[in-house]
Amino acid sequence: DIQMTQSPSIVSASVGDRVTMTCRASQDISSWLAWYQQKPGTAPKLLIYSASNLQNGVPSRFSGSGSGTDFTLTITNLQPEDFATYFCQQASGFPRTFGQGTKVEIK
Amino acid sequence: QVQLVESGGGVVQPGGSLRLSCATSGFLFTVYGMHWVRQAPGKELEWLAFISHDGTKRFYADSVKGRVTISRDMSKNTLFLQMNSLKAEDTALFYCARDPSAAGGHYFDYWGQGTLVTVSS
Repeated sequence: DIQMTQSPSIVSASVGDRVTMTCRASQDISSWLAWYQQKPGTAPKLLIYSASNLQNGVPSRFSGSGSGTDFTLTITNLQPEDFATYFCQQASGFPRTFGQGTKVEIK
Repeated sequence: QVQLVESGGGVVQPGGSLRLSCATSGFLFTVYGMHWVRQAPGKELEWLAFISHDGTKRFYADSVKGRVTISRDMSKNTLFLQMNSLKAEDTALFYCARDPSAAGGHYFDYWGQGTLVTVSS
């Protein structure tokens, strides 16, 4: 199975900050990577697919980059509604696997 | 709008069975692949199973292979997950999710609200 490792586990930030988090795959997954946002008590929401494509309706302050094994999710001008947990997910092979998540908390 | 509504969760004893359902609306069910994903309390997401738009392709996670069956009823626009030989470690919130493709099984663009399965004696 392809292992996905996210870092950091927690990031403390303030409204208006630029936040960056990373996801590393245990093998080359090309651009087969997605990012999801999850708030407590709710289902995950797709933000980015194919490493850098913004899902319809997702604000442009979210962006994704990377290929191969190393990927980054960046949130510019952090908004109050962005405090949540973010998961990466590889779509290169079955089983599909997720990272353990990065929680963005209020500093 | 796209809606996915899971049902069928509950409390079941170890070794028992449950059949989860996911009623869909707001999109053409017959052209999208579908997934089941679960999340144990406080844990990360775990993909469980995928079925292609026409039901001809099915893939399972090793953790549930041989114990679960994913299926779909095109006439009712409903996805199912039959789970047998349940274990305590199967306790989780089970989500159904739509794949934006027919047979690729890559991503999850719409999710239901989840149905809770608790395996306990």
